[in-house]
Amino acid sequence: GQQLNQSPQSMFIQEGEDVSMNCTSSSIFNTWLWYKQEPGEGPVLLIALYKAGELTSNGRLTAQFGITRKDSFLNISASIPSDVGIYFCARGTSYGKLTFGQGTILTVHP
Amino acid sequence: EAQVTQNPRYLITVTGKKLTVTCSQNMNHEYMSWYRQDPGLGLRQIYYSMNVEVTDKGDVPEGYKVSRKEKRNFPLILESPSPNQTSLYFCATSQRVSYEQYFGPGTRLTVT
Repeated sequence: GQQLNQSPQSMFIQEGEDVSMNCTSSSIFNTWLWYKQEPGEGPVLLIALYKAGELTSNGRLTAQFGITRKDSFLNISASIPSDVGIYFCARGTSYGKLTFGQGTILTVHP
Repeated sequence: EAQVTQNPRYLITVTGKKLTVTCSQNMNHEYMSWYRQDPGLGLRQIYYSMNVEVTDKGDVPEGYKVSRKEKRNFPLILESPSPNQTSLYFCATSQRVSYEQYFGPGTRLTVT
């Protein structure tokens, strides 16, 4: 399947800093999703985006579906230690098939 | 409580010994899927099922089989496991035509 390019691969930040990560694809599609995976657990959906240009917030998290429909970003404001985990972007294809990015490993130092 | 359960959570086995990883959900979801997670590769879809008796290949189906005889269960079968199938496996479910999938806790498989 087609790959999603997610960057950065890892981030080491201080508590209170803002975080930004993004995902790009060579093809256009109709859905972007952002998941978070904590150690020892399965991914959990954070935000789902269904329209080009859509900007959606979930607490300190904000995600946008790029106008070109080929990219998306996720921002975390005022990071806290419990934000630690792996963040995945994913794109939806036909019949609910998901393709995931490689993940961004986030470490937050208190 | 809405749940996706997988069993076993951990398994160490030897090459060629058939095994089954079970997945069960209590949310009455029609769609179920299996993924494997490997470092640096994210999650890759193995097989998915739109409904009972309806299954289709994902991106990495080689070496795996699935069945969907009941709505709530979607077992993953490895007929002859090989070391390159050592991975972390996740089952996921969702309502029909929805990408908002709910993941199980994962099964860590080691094939020696």
